[in-house]
Amino acid sequence: GAGVSQSPSNKVTEKGKDVELRCDPISGHTALYWYRQSLGQGLEFLIYFQGNSAPDKSGLPSDRFSAERTGGSVSTLTIQRTQQEDSAVYLCASSITPYYEQYFGPGTRLTVT
Amino acid sequence: AQKVTQAQTEISVVEKEDVTLDCVYETRDTTYYLFWYKQPPSGELVFLIRRNSFDEQNEISGRYSWNFQKSTSSFNFTITASQVVDSAVYFCALSEPEALGKETSGSRLTFGEGTQLTVNP
Repeated sequence: GAGVSQSPSNKVTEKGKDVELRCDPISGHTALYWYRQSLGQGLEFLIYFQGNSAPDKSGLPSDRFSAERTGGSVSTLTIQRTQQEDSAVYLCASSITPYYEQYFGPGTRLTVT
Repeated sequence: AQKVTQAQTEISVVEKEDVTLDCVYETRDTTYYLFWYKQPPSGELVFLIRRNSFDEQNEISGRYSWNFQKSTSSFNFTITASQVVDSAVYFCALSEPEALGKETSGSRLTFGEGTQLTVNP
């Protein structure tokens, strides 16, 4: 079956611009997660959705970062006024329920110039 | 404090050698979950195994095996008769349902720094 998909696969943006990253989880998966991977910081948790609610947003690095999930499915991660330190690979994952294995998408590579 | 430690940053072996990747974790929870993921050069994280804290039975899946020891807080991963296709970065991860309240953070994964495994022909 279809796995987790993310778009775009690559995004180059200028410092100060806003970007939106999209995640389509595996159908039927109630839990959705965003992580980011960068050379200096490894794999970091950003936010967790159960259904359309985000019980845990504690990993978002600043108020420039926000995310939403609609219809218990698609999620969008928005970064406002991008900074160079936002450059990373943003990974989305989903699991059928919390605590079960998370399946990851291919990621969006964000480069802020 | 580092919750998941993968002390081996890089390992290089010759094909057909056995190799063990170490993972040591730290938690105060009695219920927790441990995972291993593989990240090949293509970049996508691939799920390998999930283990809950109440199941210390070792697991074998083909050439892969996992040794979970609560007494030493370790969850080590062994690849038997390694192959070139095993070359990847391997991550160990921890999920702690009780850490911040089961309703909120229980699901998040805390990853180790990863071990880059290179299998040479």
